[in-house]
Amino acid sequence: SQTIHQWPATLVQPVGSPLSLECTVEGTSNPNLYWYRQAAGRGLQLLFYSVGIGQISSEVPQNLSASRPQDRQFILSSKKLLLSDSGFYLCAWSATGWDTEAFFGQGTRLTVV
Amino acid sequence: EDKVVQSPLSLVVHEGDTVTLNCSYEVTNFRSLLWYKQEKKAPTFLFMLTSSGIEKKSGRLSSILDKKELFSILNITATQTGDSAVYLCAVEAESGTNAGKSTFGDGTTLTVKP
Repeated sequence: SQTIHQWPATLVQPVGSPLSLECTVEGTSNPNLYWYRQAAGRGLQLLFYSVGIGQISSEVPQNLSASRPQDRQFILSSKKLLLSDSGFYLCAWSATGWDTEAFFGQGTRLTVV
Repeated sequence: EDKVVQSPLSLVVHEGDTVTLNCSYEVTNFRSLLWYKQEKKAPTFLFMLTSSGIEKKSGRLSSILDKKELFSILNITATQTGDSAVYLCAVEAESGTNAGKSTFGDGTTLTVKP
């Protein structure tokens, strides 16, 4: 069966520090991978998605970047965090192609202080 | 810009009540509409709807899509306290790549009281 791991669960970082959140998927090949951010009381905002190794599409201009160094590994990064980067970050995967549901990781609560 | 609007934003009911959650959308190149349940952290998939008028059903939950009027409803009958969660509606559109791009609504927070 497929599983998705996302870590850490909680992170408190000072402004200006770097960020690296990691997500890995097991039990499937060539998944579509996604990074979402969820503000309190809001829906999910798509940040990045990837259809293959090294292929990253960015949805919104921001202080963050994403990379996919391996087929089932997706990393969200920042060189210098801003206060506005605080939020709940969710990684997700879906099967290749269309009309497939997404499976989400447990999320990372990031607080920038 | 693609838009998904859910209503109500929050709802408090008592066990046994029936609830209807609404989702309307304005999306270019619509592919499908999906409902998710988010209890604590990770949203979990409920339904995917691609065709108008065909009801999807799972236990006490059901959903239907109207592609002409651009909305969907999620019904929960005989609600239980375990139904308390945020219900998210997402619409998938063609992105020009081999991946669905989903736009999410802000969710409906359902609280079921004993």
